[in-house]
Amino acid sequence: AQTVTQSQPEMSVQEAETVTLSCTYDTSESDYYLFWYKQPPSRQMILVIRQEAYKQQNATENRFSVNFQKAAKSFSLKISDSQLGDAAMYFCAYNGYRDTGRRALTFGSGTRLQVQP
Amino acid sequence: GAVVSQHPSRVICKSGTSVKIECRSLDFQATTMFWYRQFPKQSLMLMATSNEGSKATYEQGVEKDKFLINHASLTLSTLTVTSAHPEDSSFYICSATVGSMNTEAFFGQGTRLTVV
Repeated sequence: AQTVTQSQPEMSVQEAETVTLSCTYDTSESDYYLFWYKQPPSRQMILVIRQEAYKQQNATENRFSVNFQKAAKSFSLKISDSQLGDAAMYFCAYNGYRDTGRRALTFGSGTRLQVQP
Repeated sequence: GAVVSQHPSRVICKSGTSVKIECRSLDFQATTMFWYRQFPKQSLMLMATSNEGSKATYEQGVEKDKFLINHASLTLSTLTVTSAHPEDSSFYICSATVGSMNTEAFFGQGTRLTVV
């Protein structure tokens, strides 16, 4: 079974600064997808960015980018020019086959990001 | 983007009663639907995976007789918490995907269940 580890329960960043959230995972699969989701106080899950494991190029979405290191099984999220609206819980997620034989998301424990004005 | 609607957003029920939560994909046909449970300040824990017309696949430790999942159509899945007890109080979230790889999940807004 896959595991996803987020070692930073909380992070804080000044507005307009850059912050990096860490995520590592463990899997024996070679073909999978990785995601970062944002969960604001409304608790609606919002997709931030997605990375296909077969792609060497790191995904970027405006101010959000990832550092995907497949061999190290690391998938960090960099938020540039942080904004107050970025404050939320961030979950790293792995899409692969579970013990049930079904393909589904496995989430990390989350990192709460605070943005200081 | 694709929209998943979950209803109700909040529900309070008495201990021993059953409550049904609906998850609908509004503008697409979902190949697979997923049900998660999230305790306060914790992560999302997958409860079960379901496809239209077939039995749900439950994760280890999830009581299938307590958490009944019905996936009657490509746009609707329901989770029924039977004989609810206070320990079932939690935030329940559904998501839906298209295609066999489930590469992009669309989430409902969640349901806060309180059992009194």
